[in-house]
Amino acid sequence: TQLLEQSPQFLSIQEGENLTVYCNSSSVFSSLQWYRQEPGEGPVLLVTVVTGGEVKKLKRLTFQFGDARKDSSLHITAAQTGDTGLYLCAGAASGTYKYIFGTGTRLKVLA
Amino acid sequence: DVKVTQSSRYLVKRTGEKVFLECVQDMDHENMFWYRQDPGLGLRLIYFSYDVKMKEKGDIPEGYSVSREKKERFSLILESASTNQTSMYLCASSLGWEGNQPQHFGDGTRLSIL
Repeated sequence: TQLLEQSPQFLSIQEGENLTVYCNSSSVFSSLQWYRQEPGEGPVLLVTVVTGGEVKKLKRLTFQFGDARKDSSLHITAAQTGDTGLYLCAGAASGTYKYIFGTGTRLKVLA
Repeated sequence: DVKVTQSSRYLVKRTGEKVFLECVQDMDHENMFWYRQDPGLGLRLIYFSYDVKMKEKGDIPEGYSVSREKKERFSLILESASTNQTSMYLCASSLGWEGNQPQHFGDGTRLSIL
């Protein structure tokens, strides 16, 4: 069974701080996605990375896919209260419609 | 924008009841998925469908069945509800055959089995 481990599980920081969330697996994925979920809503896609070593930036968020396509990280610069939410990574193996979701990182940014 | 609509936001049922959760998407997506979300366990795939009348088991199909009679609608059925099926249920859809397609989620149904 493929697993995706996220760390940390919980993170509480002050506005303006930087943070990194990790998503790790022993399996290779053809692509990896990051989602954010707010209370009472479904997850919303932030980014998809498909190439080993790929780095994508979305304003203050930087996403990196590991060279071996087994891991990924999400770095947030100068966190804002609006970044509060549950961050989920999801990996897809080649030739499958299935996505394996990580356990999630619950981020709280305090004003 | 893709819209995935789940029929109920909150649902309370009794043990042994047959429960139907409905999901409709409006973007002609081939793939549809049912997940359950529990604290500390993330999203776990129950069933998915890649075409009308086609379905495949996910990681935790026991106690559930699904129906996809029309492309836009994917139903999750709890044959005989049990308390351990109390959870948040999320439906999603995606376009195409490759895993790099984004999944679009509904807002979830919080189901309580008493």
